[in-house]
Amino acid sequence: GDSVTQMEGPVTLSEEAFLTINCTYTATGYPSLFWYVQYPGEGLQLLLKATKADDKGSNKGFEATYRKETTSFHLEKGSVQVSDSAVYFCALIPHGRGSTLGRLYFGRGTQLTVWP
Amino acid sequence: DAGITQSPRHKVTETGTPVTLRCHQTENHRYMYWYRQDPGHGLRLIHYSYGVKDTDKGEVSDGYSVSRSKTEDFLLTLESATSSQTSVYFCAIRERTEDPRYGYTFGSGTRLTVV
Repeated sequence: GDSVTQMEGPVTLSEEAFLTINCTYTATGYPSLFWYVQYPGEGLQLLLKATKADDKGSNKGFEATYRKETTSFHLEKGSVQVSDSAVYFCALIPHGRGSTLGRLYFGRGTQLTVWP
Repeated sequence: DAGITQSPRHKVTETGTPVTLRCHQTENHRYMYWYRQDPGHGLRLIHYSYGVKDTDKGEVSDGYSVSRSKTEDFLLTLESATSSQTSVYFCAIRERTEDPRYGYTFGSGTRLTVV
């Protein structure tokens, strides 16, 4: 079945450090891939997305590349800030026959804390 | 902004009582979803709706029911609340129906505590 696996946290970094949060997926066909971010006390916001192989999604200095060969969509940022402290969720929507009404499948989330 | 409002934002209720959470949208989207968020589980789908009076179960639907009598409102009811239903509940809509390239937009959540 369709699923998302992302690295467990928490991840603690100093400001300006490099960030990688790993995400791999299992899906029939070629899904759309998403990263959502949840700041403390808030709902989820779409951070970036990629809808086909080799696409790179980017937003607010974050990037992720859709790698079909490794079924991965790792989130990266070159220099994190304190304001990036949040929970990050990798997610997918399957394409094609058998996909259930565009259901969004989530990973379990990774807590990121950035210290000044 | 997709204009999603969840109410209430916070609620404390007693075990065995019924509870209804409301999700209201202002932009006539067809698809609406209810998720619950728990530590170590991420977000799990409870129920979803693909139109007025058209609803279906998600992966954790036991103990929950939903109703959608109007396009703009999607109600989640805990028929007899239990402590295991203490959670944060999120409503979501899909902005482009049946186009998997588009993700969801989420409400701000309802924090429910069952004592």
